[in-house]
Amino acid sequence: DTAVSQTPKYLVTQMGNDKSIKCEQNLGHDTMYWYKQDSKKFLKIMFSYNNKELIINETVPNRFSPKSPDKAHLNLHINSLELGDSAVYFCASSQEAAEAFFGQGTRLTVV
Amino acid sequence: TQLLEQSPQFLSIQEGENLTVYCNSSSVFSSLQWYRQEPGEGPVLLVTVVTGGEVKKLKRLTFQFGDARKDSSLHITAAQPGDTGLYLCAGEGAGTASKLTFGTGTRLQVTL
Repeated sequence: DTAVSQTPKYLVTQMGNDKSIKCEQNLGHDTMYWYKQDSKKFLKIMFSYNNKELIINETVPNRFSPKSPDKAHLNLHINSLELGDSAVYFCASSQEAAEAFFGQGTRLTVV
Repeated sequence: TQLLEQSPQFLSIQEGENLTVYCNSSSVFSSLQWYRQEPGEGPVLLVTVVTGGEVKKLKRLTFQFGDARKDSSLHITAAQPGDTGLYLCAGEGAGTASKLTFGTGTRLQVTL
């Protein structure tokens, strides 16, 4: 059983489009995250949700809107995609700030 | 803003060599984690260190947390090609809830 699964794994889209990435965890964790990893492999937190409530929003453009329908799901919707949004997006979950379990990542390419 | 600088950024060594990766910050962390990430995968936790001065060993990997809990090191003895990957340290901020700050990463390549 996959602990943290995110879909799709690859996403290629044109500038200006709107897209969503879905994430689900079956670990029973209270906290879920979205991270962005850039071309230099720097992993930066974008959002953190604890029990469906937004805890951290790290100066992310408001074109990015996370949604957590329940504590096992944290989806990421991106409006008006820009070239600079191209990156690998990782979903993760943890129990508080203990070990973070990561999904396999979604490689987003905006053309 | 808490920053974690890792050095070196890149390291290419031959099988059997030893190496050390450093993770430094001016901030104090309540704990520090080390992850390894392989291409096309998410990071996977290797170890968590919590106490200043703590040393943990995981087979050929030795992790140390600085006395002041601002820095950490990862030492690999007799590196093998299977150690190849991106190594990331991540600090849990003292007093901040549910947030890990990741280091800048060290890309290690071990060749035969």
